[in-house]
Amino acid sequence: AQSVTQLGSHVSVSEGALVLLRCNYSSSVPPYLFWYVQYPNQGLQLLLKYTSAATLVKGINGFEAEFKKSETSFHLTKPSAHMSDAAEYFCAVSGDDYKLSFGAGTTVTVRA
Amino acid sequence: DAGVIQSPRHEVTEMGQEVTLRCKPISGHDYLFWYRQTMMRGLELLIYFNNNVPIDDSGMPEDRFSAKMPNASFSTLKIQPSEPRDSAVYFCASSLAGTANTEAFFGQGTRLTVV
Repeated sequence: AQSVTQLGSHVSVSEGALVLLRCNYSSSVPPYLFWYVQYPNQGLQLLLKYTSAATLVKGINGFEAEFKKSETSFHLTKPSAHMSDAAEYFCAVSGDDYKLSFGAGTTVTVRA
Repeated sequence: DAGVIQSPRHEVTEMGQEVTLRCKPISGHDYLFWYRQTMMRGLELLIYFNNNVPIDDSGMPEDRFSAKMPNASFSTLKIQPSEPRDSAVYFCASSLAGTANTEAFFGQGTRLTVV
């Protein structure tokens, strides 16, 4: 069964600083990986997904993630944090059964 | 498209009462998922349907929980009787069949409080 582990439940960054959120996956077959964002009192919105076409995936709002098979990782980054990036971020994985399993989430706060 | 629509957005009920949560998926989507989100357990998949047929309900916590999808445009999640520990945000999501990396679209959620 596929699963993901997010390292760090809270990340605090200064406005303009790099945002780095860590996600490691466990899968016996090539996984389907996603990053979702959840703003307060909202549903989840897709940031980006790994399609196997490229190891570096660009998403919305300036986020990108790099798939590293050797490290079983799919870390999310943004070069320069904005106040509007404050939210909870979830890494997720699915398999051929279409079941989407989520990590525990990382809450990002942005300091002015 | 209006996206995945859930109702109600908020529900407060007394312990022992029946609660019904509703979901209208995006038109044309083949998969429908029900998730529960709590601080303690995060996002848990409760059950999912493909073409209105339940595929996996192993996440349904107890027999008090049941879900139906009578047609392609409507699903319900029912809790009977409700208990305070059922308090959570319940999300419905839908996706289009194709490849498993097709994204799931989430509704705004129903915040359930059982007192």
